[in-house]
Amino acid sequence: AQTVTQSQPEMSVQEAETVTLSCTYDTSENNYYLFWYKQPPSRQMILVIRQEAYKQQNATENRFSVNFQKAAKSFSLKISDSQLGDTAMYFCAFIVEYGNKLVFGAGTILRVKS
Amino acid sequence: ETGVTQTPRHLVMGMTNKKSLKCEQHLGHNAMYWYKQSAKKPLELMFVYNFKEQTENNSVPSRFSPECPNSSHLFLHLHTLQPEDSALYLCASSQADRGQFYGYTFGSGTRLTVV
Repeated sequence: AQTVTQSQPEMSVQEAETVTLSCTYDTSENNYYLFWYKQPPSRQMILVIRQEAYKQQNATENRFSVNFQKAAKSFSLKISDSQLGDTAMYFCAFIVEYGNKLVFGAGTILRVKS
Repeated sequence: ETGVTQTPRHLVMGMTNKKSLKCEQHLGHNAMYWYKQSAKKPLELMFVYNFKEQTENNSVPSRFSPECPNSSHLFLHLHTLQPEDSALYLCASSQADRGQFYGYTFGSGTRLTVV
């Protein structure tokens, strides 16, 4: 079975500090894609970052970066210089190559405090 | 605006009512999805459509009836719902190109309350 585990239901961080959200997944496939989505209180699910499993280089998008450890099946998200607008639920997800649906984790609520 | 539009944004309905949720995308994507998001529960995949054909029904009760008349529109018809069906219903679309997958684009969701 393909599963995603986010072990931190809730986290808090001070504004301007760095926080890391954890994600592990399970699949027997070798080629897949990994994602982090953000869902703020406005409800809109927004794609934060995408990683191709066959690329060793970790993806980065401005203040957001990932630590992708394929052997450990780990895909953590690091948010640098946290901003109040980063307060949201964050979902980790993956899809196997030629798959037809994303598998989501349960989410981590992140609160950025001023 | 995201490219995926859901209407209505909020819906309150009685258990004997019939209503429909609408989702529209003009991104040229070939797949569309319905998800249910309840408080304190993981996202639940309900239905998947690829090129207008339903490719997955995740054991959804028959009181939820999807319709995909073309690759740009997706409906969720609701009838005789239960209070536990109250949730945020999210529509998403995606495009897979020769195995490359770029992620879903989500709509803003419909907040459904069954009274």
